[in-house]
Parts: sequence; structure tokens; C-alpha cells
Amino acid sequence: NAGVTQTPKFRILKIGQSMTLQCTQDMNHNYMYWYRQDPGMGLKLIYYSVGAGITDKGEVPNGYNVSRSTTEDFPLRLELAAPSQTSVYFCASSYERGSYEQYFGPGTRLTVT
Amino acid sequence: GENVEQHPSTLSVQEGDSAVIKCTYSDSASNYFPWYKQELGKRPQLIIDIRSNVGEKKDQRIAVTLNKTAKHFSLHITETQPEDSAVYFCAARNYGGSQGNLIFGKGTKLSVKP
Repeated sequence: NAGVTQTPKFRILKIGQSMTLQCTQDMNHNYMYWYRQDPGMGLKLIYYSVGAGITDKGEVPNGYNVSRSTTEDFPLRLELAAPSQTSVYFCASSYERGSYEQYFGPGTRLTVT
Repeated sequence: GENVEQHPSTLSVQEGDSAVIKCTYSDSASNYFPWYKQELGKRPQLIIDIRSNVGEKKDQRIAVTLNKTAKHFSLHITETQPEDSAVYFCAARNYGGSQGNLIFGKGTKLSVKP
């Protein structure tokens, strides 16, 4: 199993540009999450999904959109990038049966200038 | 909503000493408390977790204790080694509630000096 994979690893955006961060998991997990991690801070939940076709907002959803058309994929869309969105983005997944462990992807480091 | 406070923000210990990191939470309905370790430039990984029906859990050199009355939980690492150096995050979650997502503390940077 590859686990949770994310692309790209690094990206520099200009203010106002848009991009999609990709996330894929091959563990057949029903729950998936997007977090952002700012320097010296913990992880803040952006959006989450409890299954294909179902998404919901987390703590910091403004400026982002998500979709979940399949169990495996959970892309995060940034529209009109702003410097405040400079961060490391982590995707995670969990099975939510028995174990509540969340498995994280390697992260995407995004800089908006 | 839930709020998780974590202390200290940095902790430096000598190899072989013990390290303790403490977290407090605000929502008495929270019932799941994991600890994640994040090495520099890497992804967070679960190292231990505890549920509200248990007061203490151990796994080799690491242990977590939970005091539901005081709404705090702690991570204990004994016989620290240089490879324990990392940032540790606590989190809390209310499973079964309407807001059942993990809320993370801000992290503790642990440095173990050889």
C-alpha cells in the first residue's frame, strides 16, 4: 500500500492564481481530511469528508473548496490565492471503525507571493 | 467548540531523562485523545492514543495519562533518546458529537541532547 499520497510536494503561486492539491489514499478509508499547518502552529482542519459525495467545512474553510467523487480521491481547490494561504497542507484519512488513527500524507508546501 | 492548550512549547532534556508534555481541553464531551509525533519535514504520525474510559495507557517508553475531572492529559516519555527529538502534538475529539473532528494543540518541540 502506498498509503496517502499528495501532489505536488512544493508549489509557488502568484496572488490571484488558482490550483488544486491532489490527495489519494489506497486503504479504502471512508473519512478524509485536509489540514493546514502554519509555522509553529498545530494543524487546522480545512474540510473533511465522511464518504464519496459528502463533504463538510472544518475550522478554516474560507478560500478553499473540495470534492469527493470517489473513495480514493479528495482534491483541495484554492481559488484566488492569497499570501495568507502560504502554509503546509496535509491530507489525511481514517477508517473510523475500531481504530480512529488518522494517516497523513507527506504534505504540500505552498508559497503565495 | 473544543479548545486544546499544550505546554510547554519547547522542552530540552538530556538523553536518558524523562519528558512530560501536558494538554488541557475545554469540552467535557471529548472522549478520544491522540498524540502525534512530527519529525522535521515529515508528516505527523500517531504514537499513542487514549479513550475516555481509560486513565492510563503505556507502550514501551511512552505513556499517556488522562484526568477527565480536570480535563487534562499528559504524554510521558522515559529514557529519552536523540531520535525522540521532534514536535509532539496532542489532540482531542468528541466521537458521536456534532463536531466530531480532531482539535490539535500547537505542539511541543522536544530536543534530546546526547
